[in-house]
Order: sequence, then C-alpha cells, then structure tokens
Amino acid sequence: QKEVEQDPGPLSVPEGAIVSLNCTYSNSAFQYFMWYRQYSRKGPELLMYTYSSGNKEDGRFTAQVDKSSKYISLFIRDSQPSDSATYLCALTNAGGTSYGKLTFGQGTILTVHP
Amino acid sequence: NAGVTQTPKFRVLKTGQSMTLLCAQDMNHEYMYWYRQDPGMGLRLIHYSVGEGTTAKGEVPDGYNVSRLKKQNFLLGLESAAPSQTSVYFCASSYIRGRVSDTQYFGPGTRLTVL
Repeated sequence: QKEVEQDPGPLSVPEGAIVSLNCTYSNSAFQYFMWYRQYSRKGPELLMYTYSSGNKEDGRFTAQVDKSSKYISLFIRDSQPSDSATYLCALTNAGGTSYGKLTFGQGTILTVHP
Repeated sequence: NAGVTQTPKFRVLKTGQSMTLLCAQDMNHEYMYWYRQDPGMGLRLIHYSVGEGTTAKGEVPDGYNVSRLKKQNFLLGLESAAPSQTSVYFCASSYIRGRVSDTQYFGPGTRLTVL
C-alpha cells in the first residue's frame, strides 16, 4: 500500500465548476500537507500548504485537512481554463530522518474546458 | 534571478551509457533534491542534500549517484543507464533550515530516454 493515494483522474469539468481533488494517506506521522500545481512540461510549483486540521482559503482555492480520517482535499471554485494542470498532494513529517522530505501523491490531471 | 535550472532538457541514451544531469540554483538554498516522475507514480525522491558536501539517499536511490561540491550545484549521475531509468527528472531546492514546511522550488525537468 502506498503511503499516499491520489486518484489520477483524468478529471474534465466545464468552466465555472467547483473542483474537488483528494488524497488519502496511511502514515499518521505526516503533519504538513501541501498542494503543488504542475503545468504540462513544467516543474511543480507550490499552491498551498496547511499544518493543522481544518480549512485554509486562498482566493478561489481551499485546502482542507482531516487528520482523524487521514484525508486531505483541495477545492477550486469558479474553475478557469488556466487551472488545467496536474495537481499533486505532498506530505511531510515534522522532523527526524524524514526532515524536509516530501512524499507525493500520484497527481490528478485536471482539464477545465471553456 | 533564474531560480532552479537543469541541464540538459532532453537526452537519449543507450543501455549501459553514462551521463550526468546538472542542477543549479541561484537562491542560496541549503537543501537540494533530485526526483524522478513516472506516469501513475507521482514524484519519487532519489537523493537529497542538506548542504554543501553532504548527500543522502531518498526513496529510489539505486542506480544513481550524486555530488554537491558547491552549494549552488547538485549533480545526478547514471553510471550505467538502464531502460527502467527512462523518466522525467526534476531538481528542487529549499532554503530555510528548521522549517520542514519550507517551499521546494522545482526546475523545469530533464526528459531522459534510455533505449
């Protein structure tokens, strides 16, 4: 079983839709949760990061963490064609030998069509 | 400020050949990482470095070697390439020690095909 599971999609939605992207994880030591966005043939870039359970909002993006269920989500409101990309969740521990190392999900390919 | 750059962008190798991928960052970052990205597998950590002169193994280190002789450069070497090493390789770097959540900045990637 992988430490982090993410539905690879692909996911295709019309412009303006609400998008929900999710990851589940098995290692309760993960304490920091991040979402990276990767455009085609580019490197990933950090979109959002959260530490505690709950919601964090940034414009049209909301990151949600439920540590009790080991489940994290990224919601995109009013999706735009420019949101078309691969979205990767990334998790990391607080310290020890895992310091600074990210464990990534498989990535979800999202297409927003006009 | 170029950020993280990778050389080369593309490469085709024959089985058994060797090559070195170069990563350079101009952000004075302490930490540097090498990942590979394969379809359906996400990004997997190959090796990483927490400072000049240091290296450590990641999740999938076999078949690769690394060196960090200068703070701004991180080299990934394939001594005897195998078809299983066909992948997209990403280098990343991050700055502040003591904060596990520090952003990792990624390069544009190197597409490697081993025939």
